[in-house]
Amino acid sequence: GNSVTQMEGPVTLSEEAFLTINCTYTATGYPSLFWYVQYPGEGLQLLLKATKADDKGSNKGFEATYRKETTSFHLEKGSVQVSDSAVYFCALKGGEYGNKLVFGAGTILRVKS
Amino acid sequence: GAGVSQSPSNKVTEKGKDVELRCDPISGHTALYWYRQRLGQGLEFLIYFQGNSAPDKSGLPSDRFSAERTGESVSTLTIQRTQQEDSAVYLCASSLDMGQGSYEQYFGPGTRLTVT
Repeated sequence: GNSVTQMEGPVTLSEEAFLTINCTYTATGYPSLFWYVQYPGEGLQLLLKATKADDKGSNKGFEATYRKETTSFHLEKGSVQVSDSAVYFCALKGGEYGNKLVFGAGTILRVKS
Repeated sequence: GAGVSQSPSNKVTEKGKDVELRCDPISGHTALYWYRQRLGQGLEFLIYFQGNSAPDKSGLPSDRFSAERTGESVSTLTIQRTQQEDSAVYLCASSLDMGQGSYEQYFGPGTRLTVT
């Protein structure tokens, strides 16, 4: 089965709407969890990360909390902007997966003005 | 400072030809990774290098794929006898260390390979 499962897109929102992109993972041990973002025409870049249970990663108004009990790392933002339009990837590293990043399929976010 | 660079940015090749993709990691980064991103899918791990240790090749999809890295510098990914299913964006990343610490992987812009 998939190691990282994230919400299918595309997700289309109006500016200032609340965003949630769900991500769940399958792992034994304690992987580190990441959200990467790929803006149009740009390379993949790290958005935020959390390395242990109950940690909250945050950056640019985005947040995600490492929930071991639900094996989830959902990405949230209170008020999206048009400039947030991008593809968002949930990923994990460590535990049984070693040092390579294991990615979800990606979720396209489109924000309309 | 300079980020990870990859060349070429785009490559169109005929089925059956060999291609070579290049990655220049960030200077001082000891770990280097190759990933593949097929259209509409997430990234698939291919191979990684750490210093002079034997590379982890566990993600290479077939023996047509190989990669080399000289020391802690440039890496080349070679695909022999390309097939249409090899069409994808090939991404390179580098990081300071390949240990269990959560060192960030910095990604290059990718090479878009199209096999016709």
